[in-house]
This record gives sequence, structure tokens and C-alpha cells, in this order.
Amino acid sequence: KAGVTQTPRYLIKTRGQQVTLSCSPISGHRSVSWYQQTPGQGLQFLFEYFSETQRNKGNFPGRFSGRQFSNSRSEMNVSTLELGDSALYLCASSLGGREEVFGSGTRLTVV
Amino acid sequence: SQQGEEDPQALSIQEGENATMNCSYKTSINNLQWYRQNSGRGLVHLILIRSNEREKHSGRLRVTLDTSKKSSSLLITASRAADTASYFCATHNQGGKLIFGQGTELSVKP
Repeated sequence: KAGVTQTPRYLIKTRGQQVTLSCSPISGHRSVSWYQQTPGQGLQFLFEYFSETQRNKGNFPGRFSGRQFSNSRSEMNVSTLELGDSALYLCASSLGGREEVFGSGTRLTVV
Repeated sequence: SQQGEEDPQALSIQEGENATMNCSYKTSINNLQWYRQNSGRGLVHLILIRSNEREKHSGRLRVTLDTSKKSSSLLITASRAADTASYFCATHNQGGKLIFGQGTELSVKP
């Protein structure tokens, strides 16, 4: 069956702009989590959605937001981009938050 | 703060040798997971070990868990060049978030 699909794979944005990343989970998975990976901070949890509701949230500013649709697809949005937002953004889906399956990520570069 | 901390940060070995990576964590856990990441791509789930298990095997992988020391180790036997990757341990915190360690960068030279 198809894995977790993240689009786009690469993105270059300018400071101050906003960006939306998309994640399609494995069919049947209702939980979607987002992570940010940078060389300095490593892998950090952003938020988790389950059945269209945010279930968990990490320690990120309000510029980072997300949502989940009725088909479990999820989007995350970052507004007023800063250079420090440059990172690999990973999405993971699971049946109930135990063993998460990750997508290939979206590499965001802010210039 | 990171729930899991890996040791060593980097490891370089020859093909055929065994590679051992260690992970320490801070709070009580229900399970601990190991993931592999190739060149900044997505993470691949390797193995999950529950808190009531002491050892688990999967192919060339052997994971041990010592809850009294709050530590786990991942052993890759007979390593191959294709095993070159970063390896992360991860645990769920009380809020259910998956918290990762900083990872061990493994390089297997042919």
C-alpha cells in the first residue's frame, strides 16, 4: 500500500512569506504528526492531529499551525518565515500513535 | 529537552564489523523505538521494544532495554555499506509525544 506522501519535496521561500506543506497519511491511519529537523536542534515534535483535532502540541511559536481534513490528510502552515525555519519537515502517520510511519519530508529553505 | 540521548554521536566501522549504539532516556517509558534515517530523508522504523522486554531481535538487529538504567542499545551485526545512516532512539513522553534523541551517525566503509 502507498506510504506517507509529503509535498512538495523541496521549497525555497523568502523571509516574511508564508508556506503550506501537505501530508497524505497511509490509508486508514487517523493520526498525523509533524516534526521539524534541524542540525542544531535535531528532531522536534510540532503537533499531532487525530480525527481532525489537534491532540498534542510541541513548543513552537504560534506562527506554526496545522490542520487535518476529514480524509486524514494534513497541512501545516508557517507564517512570517524566518531564516531559522529552514529545516526538513517530516510528517508521520499511525493507527493510534504507537508505531509511526514517516514520509520523505519537505526540505524548506528560507532565504 | 531530548528524552533520549544517543552515544556515540558518530561511529565509523569497516564492512563486516558489528556496530553498537546506545541510548539513554530520562523518564519512565511504555516502549522505546529505533529509527534509521538515510541522508536527511524520512525515518524508517526499525524496531519497537516494550518496557517489559529485555531483548528483541530483527534480522541483523538486536535491541536491548535496561529500564533500571534507563538505557537501550542497538547492535547491528555484520554491517554493510548500506547500513550507513543516522540512527535514532525515540520514546513517548507522558503527553504522548514522540521524543527523539540526537542520533548516532554510522558510517560503514566497504
